[in-house]
Amino acid sequence: KAGVTQTPRYLIKTRGQQVTLSCSPISGHRSVSWYQQTPGQGLQFLFEYFSETQRNKGNFPGRFSGRQFSNSRSEMNVSTLELGDSALYLCASSLHLVAEVNPHYEQYFGPGTRLTVT
Amino acid sequence: AQTVTQSQPEMSVQEAETVTLSCTYDTSESDYYLFWYKQPPSRQMILVIRQEAYKQQNATENRFSVNFQKAAKSFSLKISDSQLGDAAMYFCAYRSDGYDMRFGAGTRLTVKP
Repeated sequence: KAGVTQTPRYLIKTRGQQVTLSCSPISGHRSVSWYQQTPGQGLQFLFEYFSETQRNKGNFPGRFSGRQFSNSRSEMNVSTLELGDSALYLCASSLHLVAEVNPHYEQYFGPGTRLTVT
Repeated sequence: AQTVTQSQPEMSVQEAETVTLSCTYDTSESDYYLFWYKQPPSRQMILVIRQEAYKQQNATENRFSVNFQKAAKSFSLKISDSQLGDAAMYFCAYRSDGYDMRFGAGTRLTVKP
């Protein structure tokens, strides 16, 4: 079974631009979560989607948005990029949100997208 | 609020020896899950081991085991017979129903040959 894929792997953008990152979960997985990883802040939760609905949202400004499609693929968008948005963006997929179906809440991570804002 | 604390930013261990990474968490929930994730230099995050809070028995996966102390809200990872390939960032994580996954700041483990 193929793992979680993220595209692109590397991205360089200029302040003020916008960017869209893509994540394809493991086949059959219905939940996708996004995280921002920086040396200073560590891993911070952005949002979580299940069946095309946002179920949880982290403490990020409205410039960060996302969506999930009917095939469970997910995209996240960052508008009006700032220097501080430079980070590794990780996507993780899991089978389900509910403990009864996904008893371990096990998440499988993609390799990440390295975003550099100049 | 659920928080996860890893008090050791860096640890080192001699190859073939044992090392313990510490993790504490704060929660008012009684049912939850705890995880240790490994992030090697290649950056792919890998699940190392998980522990369900309702289970008293400590989880074990080959050379990796945990010491889960629910009352103390402590969840340490022991790596036995350390190998060069164990060198990585290790993240402790917590999750309970209705909440997102919370990660600690990570511990960078160096393995010396």
